[in-house]
Amino acid sequence: EVQLVESGGGLVQPGRSLRLSCAASGFTFDDYAMHWVRQAPGKGLEWVSGISWNSGSIGYADSVKGRFTISRDNAKNSLYLQMNSLRAEDTALYYCAKDIGHDYGDPNFDPWGQGTLVTVSS
Amino acid sequence: DIQMTQSPSSLSASVGDRVTITCRASQGIRNDLGWYQQKPGKAPKRLIYAASSLQSGVPSRFSGSGSGTEFTLTISSLQPEDFATYYCLQHNSYPQLTFGGGTKVEIK
Repeated sequence: EVQLVESGGGLVQPGRSLRLSCAASGFTFDDYAMHWVRQAPGKGLEWVSGISWNSGSIGYADSVKGRFTISRDNAKNSLYLQMNSLRAEDTALYYCAKDIGHDYGDPNFDPWGQGTLVTVSS
Repeated sequence: DIQMTQSPSSLSASVGDRVTITCRASQGIRNDLGWYQQKPGKAPKRLIYAASSLQSGVPSRFSGSGSGTEFTLTISSLQPEDFATYYCLQHNSYPQLTFGGGTKVEIK
């Protein structure tokens, strides 16, 4: 069974940092691109970042570019999101999602995790 | 970056109704767009890819059209299981992607 388990969320003050992790199991992790997608309370989906199977292609939403860094460790079957200079508007449930291809040039999320909540507040 | 403006943000409809949802791109994106359905607590499911191609296994009452800057998702006859939130997602600016704001389809 394919499983994605996010961790690392929590309450953090504005301007501070947080690192999210996503532990993957049940599939050959280094065959697939991965994404971070977030959803603020009562709001729609926002794609945050994506990374190809070999980290050769990486992209960010403009809202996080320069502050967030996506990475993966294929040996550990893990995906990460380093979030720096956090803002109140980064408050959201952060989901890790597997793509169905090596790259994500034709994105199709399948599946994604249960999410980890990040709250940015003083 | 490419902005995706989706409308309406919500709609109420009855079973059997024809429903149309629109996404407008801030610049031309060819046909680099997909439509996704999300039900509460579930991952989004892709319905349409390349603007108008039906994903395998998706009922034929779903259809997509458009190219360039204007795109439409149509549900020809709304079924009870179709009440959900729908999103468009552009990938023309790969490796950056952009979702539309979403359309919640509710029961009238």
